Amino acid sequence: DADVTQTPRNRITKTGKRIMLECSQTKGHDRMYWYRQDPGLGLRLIYYSFDVKDINKGEISDGYSVSRQAQAKFSLSLESAIPNQTALYFCATSDFLASEQFFGPGTRLTVL
Amino acid sequence: AQSVTQLDSHVSVSEGTPVLLRCNYSSSYSPSLFWYVQHPNKGLQLLLKYTSAATLVKGINGFEAEFKKSETSFHLTKPSAHMSDAAEYFCVVSASLDMRFGAGTRLTVKP
Repeated sequence: DADVTQTPRNRITKTGKRIMLECSQTKGHDRMYWYRQDPGLGLRLIYYSFDVKDINKGEISDGYSVSRQAQAKFSLSLESAIPNQTALYFCATSDFLASEQFFGPGTRLTVL
Repeated sequence: AQSVTQLDSHVSVSEGTPVLLRCNYSSSYSPSLFWYVQHPNKGLQLLLKYTSAATLVKGINGFEAEFKKSETSFHLTKPSAHMSDAAEYFCVVSASLDMRFGAGTRLTVKP
């Protein structure tokens, strides 16, 4: 079974809709991250969380919010989706040393 | 602040020939450096990492990378490419809880 899972894997939505992407992990890591990937730009950090009560903005947090419901769950929300949020979204986890991040399979989001 | 530059957006090699994917970094700290691989429709998988131990780092699937502080480089190499190596590769620099990804290099392997 995968250590980091993301749901849904694919989603098509319309401008203005609220969308939630979910991430679960069984690695027992405290740290969780949300990234978006755009062609030619690599991965950019949206939000990260070092534990349930610690949430921090990343490089590109505008237009996004997150919720850390439990150690194992970290959700990303788009309150009012816009077309330039069309991207591949990855969740990742790491232990407190942050020496390596473990990635989920990604969610491909299309906003029409 | 730190940053990563992958010098080639696309590299094409023939099966059995060497692979070189180039990465330069900038960091105000003593960074950790990583190479990740992403196969189509998959998440990222760690190939190898440098964390201030040996400067020549060996990873999975025959890949290795050499940390050169004087050149601020961390190039990824493999002596002989295999068809299954076709993927996108990301160089990553990490220091002081800040992790930055390069833009990626797409490796194509021709039969």
